[in-house]
Parts: sequence; structure tokens; C-alpha cells
Amino acid sequence: GAVVSQHPSWVICKSGTSVKIECRSLDFQATTMFWYRQFPKQSLMLMATSNEGSKATYEQGVEKDKFLINHASLTLSTLTVTSAHPEDSSFYICSARDNWGSVNEQFFGPGTRLTVL
Amino acid sequence: AQTVTQSQPEMSVQEAETVTLSCTYDTSESDYYLFWYKQPPSRQMILVIRQEAYKQQNATENRFSVNFQKAAKSFSLKISDSQLGDAAMYFCAYSGTASKLTFGTGTRLQVTL
Repeated sequence: GAVVSQHPSWVICKSGTSVKIECRSLDFQATTMFWYRQFPKQSLMLMATSNEGSKATYEQGVEKDKFLINHASLTLSTLTVTSAHPEDSSFYICSARDNWGSVNEQFFGPGTRLTVL
Repeated sequence: AQTVTQSQPEMSVQEAETVTLSCTYDTSESDYYLFWYKQPPSRQMILVIRQEAYKQQNATENRFSVNFQKAAKSFSLKISDSQLGDAAMYFCAYSGTASKLTFGTGTRLQVTL
């Protein structure tokens, strides 16, 4: 149980285009999901908290208009990187909190590697 | 704000031996959770062990155990009988009232024959 999927697992795009990454909780409902960014050989940095049916909460320094988050259902959150540039190239990881589980435990997706040319 | 510090960027252990990874944290909260996550080359985050701050007893999961010292704000991970499959990045993480995870910088564990 508690499986989280991400799609795509990797994507290459041209500078200036937008890329959408999906995060799905496969066997549980998740009102709250999280989006992280991880640079090579570094730790995970929380970008934003995604809340079903309401606006996402962004961490300080994260551009809301650059990283659009939509959480339209209890099993799906999407992250859209708008007008991507090479500096947006990174590994993006989502996690989800089980509505019926501990509020402090998160289940992680396998990540999406974004390369912007 | 809470901070998590892992002072060992890299550690090495021989197969079948025991290794301890260090983690300290800073918080003013009294109720919180601490976690150790493993990130192998696949980069999938895997929960190794968790500890509730209100529990005095140290958590154990098979070969993995923690030494939780609440007063010292220390949360180390001990891996016994190390196996080649234990080689990975290990992240210590904190979750408090905000329910967000704050990660340390990680420790890369190498397991040698």
C-alpha cells in the first residue's frame, strides 16, 4: 500500500516551453501533497504544499507564477514549470500524505528528472 | 525555524559490520517526529525508521535502530550487519506541528567487501 507515482519519469524540453509533471496517490486519498526539488548531490528542498481544492502554499523564494500547482482531486497533483530555462533543470519529487494516516508521514514518488536545453 | 544537521558527508563500512550515522536538530517544539530516509541510486526515497518525540524508547526496525537523545536533540541511526544493499544516501528529517519535512544534507554510505 501507500504507493505514489509520478509521470513522466524524465523529460527533456526546449527553453521557453512549459512542462507538466503529475503526482498520483494510487491506493489512498491525499488531501495534501508536497513538491520537492533536488539538485545533484544535494538534499531535498520543499517547494510547495499542494492542498486539494485550494491554493498551494509556496515556500519562501519559490516563484508561484513559475511553478504552477494544481490539486484537482484527492489523488492527483500537478506541477507545471512554465517558460522553463536551463536553471530549472533538476530532479522533482512529490510526496503525499494519507488522509487516514499520520499527519507527519509522507509517501514519496519516484521523481521526475527535468532537463531544459 | 527547524534545522537538521548531518555532519558526516560520507561514511564507509565493511560488509557485516556496524555503522552509525549522526544527526542533530534544532527546534523549540515539544511534539514532533524524526525520520531516517534512504535514497539509493534510483533516487526513490525509502523510509527506514521513524521516531515519535514523546516516546522514550528508541525505535528499531530489524537491522536499523536509532539512538534518540531528546535533551541533546540528537537522532543517530545505527545499521547492524551492513549489507551491500545498504549503500545509499541517508537523510535525517524532522516533522513538527507544520507537518512539513525538513531534511538534513545527507550522508553517503559506502559498503565495502
